[in-house]
Amino acid sequence: DSGVTQTPKHLITATGQRVTLRCSPRSGDLSVYWYQQSLDQGLQFLIQYYNGEERAKGNILERFSAQQFPDLHSELNLSSLELGDSALYFCASSEQGARDEEAFFGQGTRLTVV
Amino acid sequence: DAKTTQPNSMESNEEEPVHLPCNHSTISGTDYIHWYRQLPSQGPEYVIHGLTSNVNNRMASLAIAEDRKSSTLILHRATLRDAAVYYCILRDFMKTSYDKVIFGPGTSLSVIP
Repeated sequence: DSGVTQTPKHLITATGQRVTLRCSPRSGDLSVYWYQQSLDQGLQFLIQYYNGEERAKGNILERFSAQQFPDLHSELNLSSLELGDSALYFCASSEQGARDEEAFFGQGTRLTVV
Repeated sequence: DAKTTQPNSMESNEEEPVHLPCNHSTISGTDYIHWYRQLPSQGPEYVIHGLTSNVNNRMASLAIAEDRKSSTLILHRATLRDAAVYYCILRDFMKTSYDKVIFGPGTSLSVIP
C-alpha cells in the first residue's frame, strides 16, 4: 500500500459527460501529480500541484482541469468526454516534488467512456 | 528535456540476475536517474535512484556509468513477482525550479519459471 488513495476505482460514463476523479496523497506529502495511461500512449504526465498551486503542466487537454485543495487532496475534472479519454488515471504524491524524491502512486481510476 | 532509451522487452530465467540497461546520452549534470516499475494492473512503484555513484537497496542495485550517459538496473535474483514494465526516467529540473516525472515506454520484463 503506497498510502495514496484514489476514488473511484472504476468509472463508466457516456460521451459528452463530465467526471471528477479524486486523489488523497500520502500523509505529509505536499506535491501531487496526475498521469494518464492508455494502451497506445503509455504513461503521460498531465499536471503537478504543490501545496495548492499548479507547479508544472504536461499534455493536459483544455477539457481537463485539476486543483489541489487546502487539505491537500486533489481532483481531476474531465469534461465533454470522448471515447479516446478511456484510460487509467493515476495520481502520485511526493513530499516536496523535488527531483531527488520518490513519488508514490495510487492504484488508479479506470475510466471507460462508452 | 533529456530523454532515455530502453529496450522494449527482455526475458530472464527465475532466480538469475537481470541487467536492465538505459541510455541517457543528453543527461545534464543535475539530473537524477530514477527507476520505477509497474506490475500488471497496478500503479508504478519506486525502485531506486541515483546521481553519480552506484546505489544499492533491498530491491535492486543501480550502476551508473562514469560519464553518466547510461545506467543499469540490476535485479540480483529475478522472481516471478519481478515481471513488470521497468521505467528509467530523469528528473528534469526546469528553469522555474519546478519538477515533474516523465515516463518513457519502459522495458517489459518477462520472468520464465
